[in-house]
Amino acid sequence: DGGITQSPKYLFRKEGQNVTLSCEQNLNHDAMYWYRQDPGQGLRLIYYSQIVNDFQKGDIAEGYSVSREKKESFPLTVTSAQKNPTAFYLCASSIDGRVDTEAFFGQGTRLTVV
Amino acid sequence: AQSVSQHNHHVILSEAASLELGCNYSYGGTVNLFWYVQYPGQHLQLLLKYFSGDPLVKGIKGFEAEFIKSKFSFNLRKPSVQWSDTAEYFCAVNAWGSQGNLIFGKGTKLSVKP
Repeated sequence: DGGITQSPKYLFRKEGQNVTLSCEQNLNHDAMYWYRQDPGQGLRLIYYSQIVNDFQKGDIAEGYSVSREKKESFPLTVTSAQKNPTAFYLCASSIDGRVDTEAFFGQGTRLTVV
Repeated sequence: AQSVSQHNHHVILSEAASLELGCNYSYGGTVNLFWYVQYPGQHLQLLLKYFSGDPLVKGIKGFEAEFIKSKFSFNLRKPSVQWSDTAEYFCAVNAWGSQGNLIFGKGTKLSVKP
């Protein structure tokens, strides 16, 4: 089945530790995105990548980092600099970065920092 | 900056009631508009989209939305809701010139009483 796979589904980390969230897609999409979802806040864009080896900051990139070494993979690292990392993280992809394409979402990773 | 406003945070309806969820966006240029739905425990999925043409668009599960350009609105409607429509609904906008990034509203939680 084609789709977007995020792993793990639940993740617990101690405060001060970096943690990397995985996102893999087999849809052959060029563009990939990371969103953060908080209750009552909707989805806010962290980073996006329209092509391999290129990525751009979104609205709330501080404390996060990404890489895009392969078309199908777009891992997100939540660093210790992120002040409030506990959240639900959603990865998405679209055929390309044009505005008239729809985004497909993974099932999300719920990160809890204790 | 573009923004999306969803007027209702939580809507509670009885089965068979009619539904209208409001969505307004702030952007003066050409936009593409989306409604996504997140059922409990499931990933975000596309309900319907507007790119161009007929401003009344029909989506899955009997949902429809009307784009009113003069009001910057894209309200979601369903004539008769079912218990299975209980979910969180997100309006999103993709504005030409925004590099293809979806801007989401904060979401409306719909609870349908059987």
